[in-house]
Amino acid sequence: SQTIHQWPATLVQPVGSPLSLECTVEGTSNPNLYWYRQAAGRGLQLLFYSVGIGQISSEVPQNLSASRPQDRQFILSSKKLLLSDSGFYLCAWDRGREQFFGPGTRLTVL
Amino acid sequence: AQTVTQSQPEMSVQEAETVTLSCTYDTSESDYYLFWYKQPPSRQMILVIRQEAYKQQNATENRFSVNFQKAAKSFSLKISDSQLGDAAMYFCAYRPGSYQLTFGKGTKLSVIP
Repeated sequence: SQTIHQWPATLVQPVGSPLSLECTVEGTSNPNLYWYRQAAGRGLQLLFYSVGIGQISSEVPQNLSASRPQDRQFILSSKKLLLSDSGFYLCAWDRGREQFFGPGTRLTVL
Repeated sequence: AQTVTQSQPEMSVQEAETVTLSCTYDTSESDYYLFWYKQPPSRQMILVIRQEAYKQQNATENRFSVNFQKAAKSFSLKISDSQLGDAAMYFCAYRPGSYQLTFGKGTKLSVIP
């Protein structure tokens, strides 16, 4: 069966510090991978998606970036965090229909 | 642009009773998928049920069923025999052939013992 992991689960970072969130998928190959952000009490906003290694599409311009160094690994990064980057970050995968989500990372920028 | 509307920010139901959550969507596509996701306090998004637009039969998963009205662009979720573990945020989502999943803003469901 397929599983998706995210880490860390919780992160508190100062403004201006770098960020690296990691997502890995097991039990499948060539998945489509996604990064979402969810503000408190809101729906999900798609940030990035990837259909293959090195292929990244950005949905929302911002100071975040994403990379896919391996088939089942998806990384969300920032060089300098802003207060507005606080939120709940979810990684998801699919093979073309429903998406399956990881447990998420709660990021607080102080 | 596609939009998904959940008009009920909050709902409550007595344990063992039935509740229906509403969802409408706007699209010009003829082929697409619709989903309901559940987000409990742990905040992990869990797929509840899926409906393909080309299927006329409403999807059912145990106590969860949908009422899919394609012409009206309506996709409601019915939860029967509600249980305490059903308490969560419920998100309706739409997906055409592209990669993007469009979510509604969610309905918070409380289950009263």
